[in-house]
Amino acid sequence: KQEVTQIPAALSVPEGENLVLNCSFTDSAIYNLQWFRQDPGKGLTSLLLIQSSQREQTSGRLNASLDKSSGRSTLYIAASQPGDSATYLCAGGGGSNYKLTFGKGTLLTVNP
Amino acid sequence: DAGITQSPRHKVTETGTPVTLRCHQTENHRYMYWYRQDPGHGLRLIHYSYGVKDTDKGEVSDGYSVSRSKTEDFLLTLESATSSQTSVYFCAIKGAYEQYFGPGTRLTVT
Repeated sequence: KQEVTQIPAALSVPEGENLVLNCSFTDSAIYNLQWFRQDPGKGLTSLLLIQSSQREQTSGRLNASLDKSSGRSTLYIAASQPGDSATYLCAGGGGSNYKLTFGKGTLLTVNP
Repeated sequence: DAGITQSPRHKVTETGTPVTLRCHQTENHRYMYWYRQDPGHGLRLIHYSYGVKDTDKGEVSDGYSVSRSKTEDFLLTLESATSSQTSVYFCAIKGAYEQYFGPGTRLTVT
């Protein structure tokens, strides 16, 4: 059974700082790894998807990496802004029917 | 936006009553999913569908049933709601590779 862990549970940084969010998973037979953003009281917004055959994906100030052998993914946010404040979730996809297993998230606060 | 809507968006119901939540998509995706989100547990898969009339259980399926009679609609039913089913319910679809989520339904069982 896939288990996904996100560390830290909460992170507070000053504006402009570069930061890394961590995600680990137990089953290396992962189909893909997806990162989401969730604002309070809102739904999930997909940020980046990394296929199992890929090592990283980039979108603007975001870069996500995937290392299947170590069971880890990281989300790098460059030059953080107060608008980046949200909960970030990672989810591992695997098995038949593309089911996702979620971590519990990292609550990010970027202080002006 | 993957054209996913959920209804109702908010609902308060009493213990023991049946409740049906609806997920509607406009883009003809084959795979649809129901998750619940609870503090301390994150998002957990309840049921999923891989085609019309093709459904299967997820991690936390007890007390829930689903139906999919049309590609665009995936219904989640709580046969007899309990307080432990108070949660936020999200529907998702699988696009080419990614899953996309609906806006959620906040359900309170009193």
